[in-house]
Amino acid sequence: GAVVSQHPSWVICKSGTSVKIECRSLDFQATTMFWYRQFPKQSLMLMATSNEGSKATYEQGVEKDKFLINHASLTLSTLTVTSAHPEDSSFYICSAREVMGTDTQYFGPGTRLTVL
Amino acid sequence: KQEVTQIPAALSVPEGENLVLNCSFTDSAIYNLQWFRQDPGKGLTSLLLIQSSQREQTSGRLNASLDKSSGRSTLYIAASQPGDSATYLCALTGNQFYFGTGTSLTVIP
Repeated sequence: GAVVSQHPSWVICKSGTSVKIECRSLDFQATTMFWYRQFPKQSLMLMATSNEGSKATYEQGVEKDKFLINHASLTLSTLTVTSAHPEDSSFYICSAREVMGTDTQYFGPGTRLTVL
Repeated sequence: KQEVTQIPAALSVPEGENLVLNCSFTDSAIYNLQWFRQDPGKGLTSLLLIQSSQREQTSGRLNASLDKSSGRSTLYIAASQPGDSATYLCALTGNQFYFGTGTSLTVIP
């Protein structure tokens, strides 16, 4: 089956630093990737939709300059949390939709970000 | 805007019981409905996918139904086991996924 990986699986950083999270589709091509964040005991909230070769579409209330998304190829999208602060600490999950086929999205295992 | 609600938010049952998790949504113009489980600190595991034209799907002890007219889906778990303990999320797919609020299930041995 289709597999999506995320790297790193967890990261701890100091306040003010930037953190990059990678999302890769391992055995399929994805024109569209999605980034979600999840706070403890809450559901997933869509942050942005990432399309290969074009600018990402951000959901209302998500700061574009803070959460930089790059979808450089059909198998890789990156989310960079710039000047991270403790309130950015969260679980970030990506998903990828195949170029060919159904609307099925395949989810990554998530990245736990802790900002001290 | 699609709103997805899951009831109950938390559920605790003794091992062996059959149980039903509920998912309701406001916009019936959906494509598919998908049920996931999420273990603490982990990503999502897809359980069942119901296409918009379908009414139910079954996999092992799990059965999911979809009633678009009433805006509801249910996930039925038969003969629950402690390993079923997790958070269960339903998601509606249109152009994007709309996730429900989740039900935290604890199966007591």
